[in-house]
Amino acid sequence: DSGVTQTPKHLITATGQRVTLRCSPRSGDLSVYWYQQSLDQGLQFLIQYYNGEERAKGNILERFSAQQFPDLHSELNLSSLELGDSALYFCASSPRDSYNQPQHFGDGTRLSIL
Amino acid sequence: GNSVTQMEGPVTLSEEAFLTINCTYTATGYPSLFWYVQYPGEGLQLLLKATKADDKGSNKGFEATYRKETTSFHLEKGSVQVSDSAVYFCALSDHSNYQLIWGAGTKLIIKP
Repeated sequence: DSGVTQTPKHLITATGQRVTLRCSPRSGDLSVYWYQQSLDQGLQFLIQYYNGEERAKGNILERFSAQQFPDLHSELNLSSLELGDSALYFCASSPRDSYNQPQHFGDGTRLSIL
Repeated sequence: GNSVTQMEGPVTLSEEAFLTINCTYTATGYPSLFWYVQYPGEGLQLLLKATKADDKGSNKGFEATYRKETTSFHLEKGSVQVSDSAVYFCALSDHSNYQLIWGAGTKLIIKP
């Protein structure tokens, strides 16, 4: 158990809809990262938050947004969903904003768009 | 830009065989290097890490040495078990981009 909790585990929805993925980081971790894992593009970084502030953006679509709340949990919002958004979405956390600290991952949310 | 290249899989071995999964990287400066493992139907677990040249990361019988001269971080295990069957990912992060840059993953299949 990594200590990172993601909900829900599975989401099935239709094109055009909006969903929210939730992540609770490990106790004491201030950094939260979101990644997308898909068959065609592998693992890609989406966005990072540190102590409530956005720190870095990767290949995140404009239809996607995220935030980190004062209690440090984070939410990833995906809107106007398309078939290609079907993927496994991972959240990871680390204690600080540092490149040499390992990130610990949740079990992911599997999003299926019908 | 930064990138990670892993050997393509699947890699199929018999139980107790020696394992090597190759990983090379391209990065400016001195990145930190990681191996993660994903068991079927599960999330990503940190397997080992190395943060500077010549560091050796080790865990659960797996080892990898950070080789700056060859920009490599190959994963090795002396005697694999069926339970090691999984997908293994090599990744890096550097001082300017804390997010992980991932290899494509190598699927390992161990036959009894």
